[in-house]
Amino acid sequence: DAGVIQSPRHEVTEMGQEVTLRCKPISGHNSLFWYRQTMMRGLELLIYFNNNVPIDDSGMPEDRFSAKMPNASFSTLKIQPSEPRDSAVYFCASNLWGKSYEQYFGPGTRLTVT
Amino acid sequence: GQQVMQIPQYQHVQEGEDFTTYCNSSTTLSNIQWYKQRPGGHPVFLIQLVKSGEVKKQKRLTFQFGEAKKNSSLHITATQTTDVGTYFCAGTVGGGSYIPTFGRGTSLIVHP
Repeated sequence: DAGVIQSPRHEVTEMGQEVTLRCKPISGHNSLFWYRQTMMRGLELLIYFNNNVPIDDSGMPEDRFSAKMPNASFSTLKIQPSEPRDSAVYFCASNLWGKSYEQYFGPGTRLTVT
Repeated sequence: GQQVMQIPQYQHVQEGEDFTTYCNSSTTLSNIQWYKQRPGGHPVFLIQLVKSGEVKKQKRLTFQFGEAKKNSSLHITATQTTDVGTYFCAGTVGGGSYIPTFGRGTSLIVHP
């Protein structure tokens, strides 16, 4: 059974460019989480969805960040325009809300903004 | 808001030595989870503790949940080089919330 899939695995872009990160959760999971991990701030929850609906986006750092989940099998995290301080590893995770607290993380996207 | 503190931030040990990481919450938790992240990898779920005073073991790993459900620990006996990585605790306050708050993690470095 495939785990959480993220693409791209690595992204290098110049400041000011738009960046789109993609995530496919585990089939059957009804919740999806976007995290950002840096040495300085650790693992931060950016936003999470339940049944494709954004529930809490209070962790999204700025209006430059936006996330969508058009259907149960796909989500995107967009940064526009990107800045060097956005450089981090972005993880997507999914789980079965109401049944388990365990989160299944994807391999992450390492973003470098120059 | 809820805070989960984890200490130490780093721990260097010689292979064969024991290792312990501690997790403390500012609020009472409904459960606590532990994850391991290998260098360059992603967090992987290890275990969940729910009951006050609960102790669970996985081979050389022993997990404890405090009586007040505000602290937890992970102890590794006789570390091996395969134990290298960052160990995170993640606490959930419950009340219908399934959103964990992650600690900053403890990075374990094992010297052969």
